[in-house]
Order: sequence, then structure tokens, then C-alpha cells
Amino acid sequence: GAVVSQHPSRVICKSGTSVKIECRSLDFQATTMFWYRQFPKQSLMLMATSNEGSKATYEQGVEKDKFLINHASLTLSTLTVTSAHPEDSSFYICSARRGGGGYTFGSGTRLTVV
Amino acid sequence: EDKVVQSPLSLVVHEGDTVTLNCSYEVTNFRSLLWYKQEKKAPTFLFMLTSSGIEKKSGRLSSILDKKELFSILNITATQTGDSAIYLCAPNFGNEKLTFGTGTRLTIIP
Repeated sequence: GAVVSQHPSRVICKSGTSVKIECRSLDFQATTMFWYRQFPKQSLMLMATSNEGSKATYEQGVEKDKFLINHASLTLSTLTVTSAHPEDSSFYICSARRGGGGYTFGSGTRLTVV
Repeated sequence: EDKVVQSPLSLVVHEGDTVTLNCSYEVTNFRSLLWYKQEKKAPTFLFMLTSSGIEKKSGRLSSILDKKELFSILNITATQTGDSAIYLCAPNFGNEKLTFGTGTRLTIIP
């Protein structure tokens, strides 16, 4: 049980375009989803926390207009990187939590902006 | 400000050795501490610790929490090459967020 699917696993886009990453909880309803970014040889940095039906809470230093998060249902959250630039290239991982239970991670998305 | 420090940052040992990884934290409203193993992609869950002094065990891995001294250790005995990974600790500070430590990169040499 507790599987989180993240798509796409890898994406290359041109500078200035937008990219959408999906995170789905397949066999449970996720009351809260989290989005992380991980640069090479660094730890996971939390970007934002989203609860179904409400606005995401962003961590300090994360631009909410650049990283748009939508959590329209209890099984789906999306992260859209708008007007992507090479410095946005990174590994993005989502995590979903069921009620007061554990945290399950998606398999991650490697974004390369050229 | 909440802070999580893992040590060592990097560790290289031979297969069969035993390793101890450390995680210390300075937090308010501590609820639990989680350990994850990250190989190439997403982290996989190892342990969740909430009480001091109670060892959790899974095969060759074990972990324990000291809430008074604010640290946790992860032990791996009889290491194998498949244990090579980054090990992350993440205290939960009661607001659902996990704050990840810097991680320990463990390399097991055959």
C-alpha cells in the first residue's frame, strides 16, 4: 500500500517555457502533499506544503508565482515551473501524507532547462 | 531556527563492516524522527522514532532516539554493497513538515 506516482520522471525544456509535474497518490487519499527540490550532492529542500482545496504554503525564499502548486483533489497535486531558466534545473520530488500516517515519496522528476 | 546535522557527511567502509550514522537536531515542538535511504531516486522509508531509548530493528539495520540529548543513530551491521546510498534523517516538528538533514553518503567497497 501507499504508492505515490510522479510524472514525468525526466523532462528537458527550453528556457522560458513552463513545465508541469504531477504527483498522484494511487491507493490512498493524501490530505497533505509536499514538494521538495534536490540539487546534486545536497539534501532535500522543502519548497511548499499543499492541502487539498486550499492554497499552498511556500517556504521562505521560494517564489510562489514561479512555482505554481495546485492540489485540486485528495489524490493529485501538480507543480508547474513557469518561465523556467537553467538555474531551475534540479531534481523535484513530491511526498504525500495520509492523515496522521507516514510520508510516501514519488520517484522524482529530473528537470533540465536548456 | 530548527536545525538538523548529520555526521559523517561521507563514509567509505569495506563489506562486512558495521557503521553508525549520526543525526543531531535542534528543534522546537519535536514529534518524531524519520530515517530514509536514498539511492538513485526517491527516498525510501526506514524507521520512524517517537520515543527515547526504544530501539527499532529491521534486519541488519537498527535505530534509536535520545530525546534528552537530541540525537538519533542508525546502525548497519554486516554491510553489503547494496547498502551504498545516502541516508537522510528528518525530524518532524509537529507541523507535518519534514526537515531533512544534510545526509550521510555511505559507500561500501566489495
